[in-house]
Amino acid sequence: DIQMTQSPSSLSASVGDRVTITCRASQSISSYLNWYQQKPGKAPKLLIYAASSLQSGVPSRFSGSGSGTDFTLTISSLQPEDFATYYCQQSYSTPATFGQGTRLEIK
Amino acid sequence: EVQLVESGGGLVKPGGSLRLSCAASGFTFSSYSMNWVRQAPGKGLEWVSSISSSSSYIYYADSVKGRFTISRDNAKNSLYLQMNSLRAEDTAVYYCARDNFAPSYGDYDWFDPWGQGTLVTVSS
Repeated sequence: DIQMTQSPSSLSASVGDRVTITCRASQSISSYLNWYQQKPGKAPKLLIYAASSLQSGVPSRFSGSGSGTDFTLTISSLQPEDFATYYCQQSYSTPATFGQGTRLEIK
Repeated sequence: EVQLVESGGGLVKPGGSLRLSCAASGFTFSSYSMNWVRQAPGKGLEWVSSISSSSSYIYYADSVKGRFTISRDNAKNSLYLQMNSLRAEDTAVYYCARDNFAPSYGDYDWFDPWGQGTLVTVSS
């Protein structure tokens, strides 16, 4: 199975900050990488697919980049509604696997 | 509106069984692969099982293989997960999620949308 490792596991930031979350795969996955946002008590929501494509309806302050084994999710200017947990997920091979999550908290 | 609604969760004793359902609406259910993903309390996301549009291809996580069975009824726009020999470590919120894709992206796929989830608690 492909292991996905996110860093950091938690992050404190302020409204307006630029934030970057990293996801590393245990082997090359090309661009088969998706990002999700999850708020407490809610289902995950797709943000980015195929490493860098923004899901319809997702604000443009979210962006994704990377290929191979190293990927990043960037939020250009944090808004109050962005405080949540973020997960990366590889769709290169079965089983699909997720990173352990990055909890983004208000500083 | 594309929607997935899970049901069937509840409290069950270790060794017991439960059947989850996921009702789909707002899209052509028979054209999409579907998945179950679970999340233990306070933990991350774990893919559980997937089934192709015509049920030709079925996959399971090693942690549930031989105990869980995924199925679907395209005439009823419904996805199911039969869970047998349940263990305490199966306690989780179970989400159904559509395997989405776009023709311009080749074989890239992603989970979207997700249902609201149904809680399964395995405890004596």
